[in-house]
Amino acid sequence: EMIMTQSPVSLSVSPGEIVTLSCRASQNIGNHLAWYQHKPGQPPRLLIHDVSTRAADVPARFSGSGSGTEFTLTINSLQSEDFALYFCLQYSNWPHRYTFGQGTKLEIK
Amino acid sequence: QVHLVQSGAEVKKPGASVNISCTAFGYSFTDHTIHWVRQAPGQALEWMGWINVAHGNTQNSERFQGRVTFTRDSSANTAYMELNNLKSEDTALYFCARDRFYKGGDVFDLWGLGTMVTVSS
Repeated sequence: EMIMTQSPVSLSVSPGEIVTLSCRASQNIGNHLAWYQHKPGQPPRLLIHDVSTRAADVPARFSGSGSGTEFTLTINSLQSEDFALYFCLQYSNWPHRYTFGQGTKLEIK
Repeated sequence: QVHLVQSGAEVKKPGASVNISCTAFGYSFTDHTIHWVRQAPGQALEWMGWINVAHGNTQNSERFQGRVTFTRDSSANTAYMELNNLKSEDTALYFCARDRFYKGGDVFDLWGLGTMVTVSS
């Protein structure tokens, strides 16, 4: 069974800081990893696919890296609109199976 | 504007069925498969399955085998998810999501707002 583990569960940071969120896969998923941002009352928003490719209209302060089992989402110079829940998705078995991480909640310090 | 609109919240008794709709706006409905994902309180998102809305073929997660049915009405740009024999553990926020093929595979690039389903006696 594939398990995606995100850390930390929550993070309190100040605007302008740099933040790094982690997503770990229990098995090798190659480069089949996406990141999403989810704010209350809004649909989840695709930020990054294929580990490091930004989706359309996603600001350059969002970047993704990693391979295999360890992945990172970095947000440079946090803006007020970036405080949200972030979750990862692995799709190495697409279209037969997809697995999500439990999310990291980014809060304003 | 490209978006997915889901039907409203539902309250059901154990053993009942629920049918949720997902209507697409702003794009060609048959160009993208629709997936269904749910999130129970305090839990991670869970993928349930998909329907190829152009051809009608479906696949569901083994976890929902025999309990979930995906259908669509292409004339109405709408996909449906029916979950049967509801249990309290099915209480969750149910999302539909459109997929798009990128280099690494199909990824969900557009989501609905979610439909809350509460199962309670």
